[in-house]
Amino acid sequence: ETGVTQTPRHLVMGMTNKKSLKCEQHLGHNAMYWYKQSAKKPLELMFVYSLEERVENNSVPSRFSPECPNSSHLFLHLHTLQPEDSALYLCASSQEEVEDYNEQFFGPGTRLTVL
Amino acid sequence: AQSVAQPEDQVNVAEGNPLTVKCTYSVSGNPYLFWYVQYPNRGLQFLLKYITGDNLVKGSYGFEAEFNKSQTSFHLKKPSALVSDSALYFCAVRDKDRDDKIIFGKGTRLHILP
Repeated sequence: ETGVTQTPRHLVMGMTNKKSLKCEQHLGHNAMYWYKQSAKKPLELMFVYSLEERVENNSVPSRFSPECPNSSHLFLHLHTLQPEDSALYLCASSQEEVEDYNEQFFGPGTRLTVL
Repeated sequence: AQSVAQPEDQVNVAEGNPLTVKCTYSVSGNPYLFWYVQYPNRGLQFLLKYITGDNLVKGSYGFEAEFNKSQTSFHLKKPSALVSDSALYFCAVRDKDRDDKIIFGKGTRLHILP
C-alpha cells in the first residue's frame, strides 16, 4: 500500500445527488492533489493543496468543490454532476520542498459513475 | 508551455525480451522527469525519477530510464520482461525552472506475452 487511502472505492450517483469523496494520507506529506482519469485521455490535474492552501485550480467546473481541513485529509464534494464526469478520481500526496520536487504517492482511486 | 508525449498506445513484448516504453518531453527550462505504473484497479505507483546527475536512472522492479537531453527523451527500459510487468505506464514532466504543474502523458499499455 502507498499510504494514501480513498473512500469510497466505487460510487454511483444520479445527476441531482450530492456526495463527497474522501482521501487520507498517512505519510506526513504537505501537499495533496485531486486528479481525474478518463478512458483514453491524459491524467487531468484538478486541484492542488500545499500546506492546506489551494494553489492550483485548473478551470474545474464549480460542481466539483475541494476541501482540505488539514494536511492529512482531502475531500472532493460533488453536486449536480453530468454523465461525462464519470471517471476514476485519484488522490495523491507529496512532500513539497523549496529546492526539490518529489514524487507523488497515489491512492487506489474512486470509480465514479454518474447516471 | 511544457508537454510530454508517449507515442505508443500499446507495446507488446515477449517474456524474457528487453522492453522499451518511449517518452519525449518539451519544457522551456530543465526538466524533472518521472515514470509511474498503474496496475488494474489501482492508483499510480512511482517507479523512478530524473532530477539531476547521472543520465541513467535506476528504479523499482528492475526498471531504468535514460535521460537524453539532445533528443528530449526519457525512455523506460528493462533488460528482461516479466508477465507481471503488464500494466499501464505513465511518463510525467515538470519544468524545474518554472512554477508549473506536473504534466502526465496519456499512458502506454504494456503487454508481456508468456
